[in-house]
Amino acid sequence: GQNIDQPTEMTATEGAIVQINCTYQTSGFNGLFWYQQHAGEAPTFLSYNVLDGLEEKGRFSSFLSRSKGYSYLLLKELQMKDSASYLCAVNDYKLSFGAGTTVTVRA
Amino acid sequence: GAVVSQHPSRVICKSGTSVKIECRSLDFQATTMFWYRQFPKQSLMLMATSNEGSKATYEQGVEKDKFLINHASLTLSTLTVTSAHPEDSSFYICSARDAPPDRASGNTIYFGEGSWLTVV
Repeated sequence: GQNIDQPTEMTATEGAIVQINCTYQTSGFNGLFWYQQHAGEAPTFLSYNVLDGLEEKGRFSSFLSRSKGYSYLLLKELQMKDSASYLCAVNDYKLSFGAGTTVTVRA
Repeated sequence: GAVVSQHPSRVICKSGTSVKIECRSLDFQATTMFWYRQFPKQSLMLMATSNEGSKATYEQGVEKDKFLINHASLTLSTLTVTSAHPEDSSFYICSARDAPPDRASGNTIYFGEGSWLTVV
């Protein structure tokens, strides 16, 4: 089966940095996605890691360690609009999602 | 980027009736589409994998006769919720893959906008 864990909630201040961790134990692995989802909307793509290391895209970075079954999403220079749920998803031809981490950005 | 359109975005139906949700890939051919449901404040749960021209593969615990999936063409998959009950009220989302993931782009899985189903 698939087991994907991430924290339920995180709160941070505008302008700060937040790191969302994701650990996984899956039967197969072909990459890991991070998605952002605002309430009532479909997920939007943030990043994709298939090899170990850090992928940087503007204010968002994602890291993967396949040997540890671990990834994190780093959000820098937080803005109020970053308040959303962040989903970690492991790709094994089909996506298996974590429960999501709700990030609340406070002024 | 690629676009996946889902329709309707919101639907209200009476208990006992059936409702159909469409998922279309607008600018690419999707041999495989995925259907998810999401309850409030919960994550996306994969219901089934829809393959063009063949029967859908359902996840454990998903009733095949209740959630009918048809993937008649490379650009259209439909989910029909039959004999709907209030507990079927949920957010249903489809996604489509246009190619195996590659390191360069990564984003080859595209989501529809989602459909809110309310059964009264």
